[in-house]
Amino acid sequence: NAGVTQTPKFQVLKTGQSMTLQCAQDMNHEYMSWYRQDPGMGLRLIHYSVGAGITDQGEVPNGYNVSRSTTEDFPLRLLSAAPSQTSVYFCASSLAGTSGGGSYEQYFGPGTRLTVT
Amino acid sequence: AQSVTQPDIHITVSEGASLELRCNYSYGATPYLFWYVQSPGQGLQLLLKYFSGDTLVQGIKGFEAEFKRSQSSFNLRKPSVHWSDAAEYFCAVDTGYSTLTFGKGTMLLVSP
Repeated sequence: NAGVTQTPKFQVLKTGQSMTLQCAQDMNHEYMSWYRQDPGMGLRLIHYSVGAGITDQGEVPNGYNVSRSTTEDFPLRLLSAAPSQTSVYFCASSLAGTSGGGSYEQYFGPGTRLTVT
Repeated sequence: AQSVTQPDIHITVSEGASLELRCNYSYGATPYLFWYVQSPGQGLQLLLKYFSGDTLVQGIKGFEAEFKRSQSSFNLRKPSVHWSDAAEYFCAVDTGYSTLTFGKGTMLLVSP
């Protein structure tokens, strides 16, 4: 298994440009999520999905769109990039939690480093 | 709202000395807690997790953590630090649907 893959590894955008960060997993995980990491801020949740066709917002969703048409893929779209979106982006996936609560381990991708000038 | 606090932004430990990284959480239900480590320019690696049961959890690389409900804490420990342990450490709590709320991290520096 490749696990969680993210492309590209690095990207430079100009303000106002759009782009899609790709995330794919081959573990048949129901849950997927996107985080951004900024110095001194830890990781913050942008959007998440509990299955194909179902997405929801996290802590910092503004400026980002997501969709989940398949179990494997969960792309993150920046419609009009801003310098404030300069960050490292991590995608993660996990199996769904059990009915008794709890969660399985999250598997993180290697990250995409995005710079917006 | 759920939150995770890591009070120490930086910690310096001598190689071979013991280590304790602090983590306090705020969460209404039974928490599911995690510690991750991140080396510079790298992704996140899970060190250990607590779901239920024994409050002392063993992880990889010789790390352990103790869950104390009365103190809302989940501190990470290692009896003897190696230079390769220098990295940033993140505590996190599951906040539903396997999403995580992270602390801001503690940077561990190891002195010779």
